[in-house]
Amino acid sequence: EAQVTQNPRYLITVTGKKLTVTCSQNMNHEYMSWYRQDPGLGLRQIYYSMNVEVTDKGDVPEGYKVSRKEKRNFPLILESPSPNQTSLYFCASKIRGLVDTEAFFGQGTRLTVV
Amino acid sequence: AQSVTQPDIHITVSEGASLELRCNYSYGATPYLFWYVQSPGQGLQLLLKYFSGDTLVQGIKGFEAEFKRSQSSFNLRKPSVHWSDAAEYFCAVGRRVNTDKLIFGTGTRLQVFP
Repeated sequence: EAQVTQNPRYLITVTGKKLTVTCSQNMNHEYMSWYRQDPGLGLRQIYYSMNVEVTDKGDVPEGYKVSRKEKRNFPLILESPSPNQTSLYFCASKIRGLVDTEAFFGQGTRLTVV
Repeated sequence: AQSVTQPDIHITVSEGASLELRCNYSYGATPYLFWYVQSPGQGLQLLLKYFSGDTLVQGIKGFEAEFKRSQSSFNLRKPSVHWSDAAEYFCAVGRRVNTDKLIFGTGTRLQVFP
């Protein structure tokens, strides 16, 4: 089954403790991206990757890192999480990085930073 | 700059009633337009999209949307709502250039009463 898999689904952590949210897709998609969803703000793009070893900032990249060493994986790294990064995070992939291609989303990771 | 407005934060309808969710966009040219649905605990799923041609587009699950250039709108409609349609709905726009950029609205939460 074609899917985008995020782990973990839920995470509670403390301020400053480094964490990684994993994202994996099995569709051989070139393009992957991370969004955060906050009430009243919709989805905002954090980082995206057009292909392996090619990443770029989205609209809200501060406090996040990403890497794209393999085509299927696109982990989101919070080196020193803060409470304002409490949010619902979504990973998405597309066959290629053009706006007219359909994005497939993971089920989301709800992160709470205390 | 591009923007998307979904004026209704929360809508409640009875099962079997008709539905219209509003979406207005701001963009200098005709954008690519999308509607996504987010069911509880799930990622976003593409309902339908408009790129060009017929301004009335059909999507999955019995939804349709109409692009009205004069009103800068792309409202989503369904003639008869089912309880399973309860979800959050996001309108999104993309520029007609070689980019991945999608701007999402803030979402409309639909509640369906039996």
